[in-house]
Amino acid sequence: EVVLTQSPEFQSVTPKEKVTITCRASQSIGNSLHWYQLKPDQSPKLLMKYASQSISGVPSRFSGSGSGTDFTLTINGLEAEDAATYYCHQTSSFPQTFGGGTKVEIK
Amino acid sequence: QLQLQESGPGLVKPSETLSLTCTVSGGSIGSSTYNWGWIRQAPGKGLEWIGSISYSGSTSYNPSLKSRLTISVDTSKNQFSLKLSSVTAADTAVYYCARRSTWSTANFDYWGQGTLVTVSS
Repeated sequence: EVVLTQSPEFQSVTPKEKVTITCRASQSIGNSLHWYQLKPDQSPKLLMKYASQSISGVPSRFSGSGSGTDFTLTINGLEAEDAATYYCHQTSSFPQTFGGGTKVEIK
Repeated sequence: QLQLQESGPGLVKPSETLSLTCTVSGGSIGSSTYNWGWIRQAPGKGLEWIGSISYSGSTSYNPSLKSRLTISVDTSKNQFSLKLSSVTAADTAVYYCARRSTWSTANFDYWGQGTLVTVSS
């Protein structure tokens, strides 16, 4: 199965800073890579699909890039409400798999 | 607005069967456009896809769980269900239900809030 490795595992960031989260796949997955935001006691939220396609209702400070094996989720200008854990998810290869998560904390 | 809600026992004994139901509101589970899935997150771990089902009952299971897993759908109740047999402490997790389109590479677009299931005697 495709292993997704996220880095960093944890990041403590000051508001308005730029946050970059990377997701590396163990084999090429094209652009079938999606990003979610998880907060305690809330439904997970889809942030980005197919590496770079934006989602209606998601703030424009969130952007995604990459293809093949290396992907990035960027938050331009972190806000307090962005404190959460972020996961990448590949659907190119069976079984679909998720990354280990990146927890973003607000300083 | 589509909503999904997981329900079921929060505590299951080792070796027994874990049973959860996901109730869909604000949309029909009988749509041929979507599949319905289960995902879980063990304490301190990442997300794990468990399996999916279509409105017609066609299933796809994670090979790591396939021998213990049954997912079913009840379109009359707008629900789908998960049964995981012979559970151990390793099955303790927050279980989520979610929707994705039938496209093979589709993402999950709507999720439930999740329900914690603890396996303990």
